[in-house]
Amino acid sequence: NAGVTQTPKFRILKIGQSMTLQCAQDMNHNYMYWYRQDPGMGLKLIYYSVGAGITDKGEVPNGYNVSRSTTEDFPLRLELAAPSQTSVYFCASSYSAAEPRYGYTFGSGTRLTVV
Amino acid sequence: ELKVEQNPLFLSMQEGKNYTIYCNYSTTSDRLYWYRQDPGKSLESLFVLLSNGAVKQEGRLMASLDTKARLSTLHITAAVHDLSATYFCAVGHNAGGTSYGKLTFGQGTILTVHP
Repeated sequence: NAGVTQTPKFRILKIGQSMTLQCAQDMNHNYMYWYRQDPGMGLKLIYYSVGAGITDKGEVPNGYNVSRSTTEDFPLRLELAAPSQTSVYFCASSYSAAEPRYGYTFGSGTRLTVV
Repeated sequence: ELKVEQNPLFLSMQEGKNYTIYCNYSTTSDRLYWYRQDPGKSLESLFVLLSNGAVKQEGRLMASLDTKARLSTLHITAAVHDLSATYFCAVGHNAGGTSYGKLTFGQGTILTVHP
């Protein structure tokens, strides 16, 4: 059981480039989330999804896009990368908001540097 | 808007000593989580607290929740070096069932345990 898998683990982008961070879960979780973690800070919610075809903005969505065509996959797209997007990105999933005792399962993170 | 504040942000302890990390939050919530993060790693779930007065213990760590005071504590007993890590509390958004499992994280407490 792989849990939540994120790829790549590390990436360096030049300003203005684009990329997609991949996230896949094999637990049949309906809820998926993208967070970013800046140095010395807590995690901030970028986007979330409550099921295939349903996504919504979190606290810091600017500069990002998401899609959710399947239950398993929730990719995060960065368009026109900027230095302010240098961060560690975590994908997480949960079974149901009505079952809080299970909490989140986190991926291992993607460390992105924009130069 | 839900705000979560942890203190202290930095904690340097001697082995064998006791200390408490505090997590205050600004609006009503029915769920609070504690996570541990080792350097360069993902977040590991420690405790899930779902009701007023809830207390959970695992080894040298004990977490409690006071929903009336909007306060959770993480108490460390007889600290050992292996507890050195960053500890986050995360509070669930409580919006009458439409919170979709979203969490707001505290800034994190960097704990260093010295011999």
